[in-house]
Amino acid sequence: RKEVEQDPGPFNVPEGATVAFNCTYSNSASQSFFWYRQDCRKEPKLLMSVYSSGNEDGRFTAQLNRASQYISLLIRDSKLSDSATYLCVVNKRSGNTPLVFGKGTRLSVIA
Amino acid sequence: GAVVSQHPSWVICKSGTSVKIECRSLDFQATTMFWYRQFPKQSLMLMATSNEGSKATYEQGVEKDKFLINHASLTLSTLTVTSAHPEDSSFYICSATGPLIPYGYTFGSGTRLTVV
Repeated sequence: RKEVEQDPGPFNVPEGATVAFNCTYSNSASQSFFWYRQDCRKEPKLLMSVYSSGNEDGRFTAQLNRASQYISLLIRDSKLSDSATYLCVVNKRSGNTPLVFGKGTRLSVIA
Repeated sequence: GAVVSQHPSWVICKSGTSVKIECRSLDFQATTMFWYRQFPKQSLMLMATSNEGSKATYEQGVEKDKFLINHASLTLSTLTVTSAHPEDSSFYICSATGPLIPYGYTFGSGTRLTVV
């Protein structure tokens, strides 16, 4: 089983749509959780950290369920500029340990 | 702040030659550098972890004699792909961490290597 699994995608949605990304992780000892965004041929960029209490940043809402080892990202009122690959990322513990990336889910927002 | 400069951004080389990729932390001390590789439509896969002044720790299946990593200073780490072959063609990206870095990780812009 892969450490981090995501919806295979791709998702093609019209502008203004709400889209949800799902992710599960296998290591119950994981401590830090993130969503990154990666544009084609670019480095991944941090979109937001994910906390157990859930957190929101504008149109983006992230949720974490430690019991089911599940992470989600919701994008509301999607924009053309949201088109990218969204990566679910987990870290086993804080400090100098590497991030573990999911395969990513490609989103295309269509006019 | 917390910028990592990665060079070159892309390189084309002939099979059998070596290619060096550099990652420099411009405004912080990168005590640890992670090197990743990403094939098309795949996730970033960790190749190795290097701590400044120490030998790199390689992930299973990554040949340490082929992918030479040097992290001799707190601001520079290099990855050298030796005797490159077409199957080494990939997107290589570094990620640095160190004290005082918010969220702990900063990525280089990546290097797209094509071996012909």
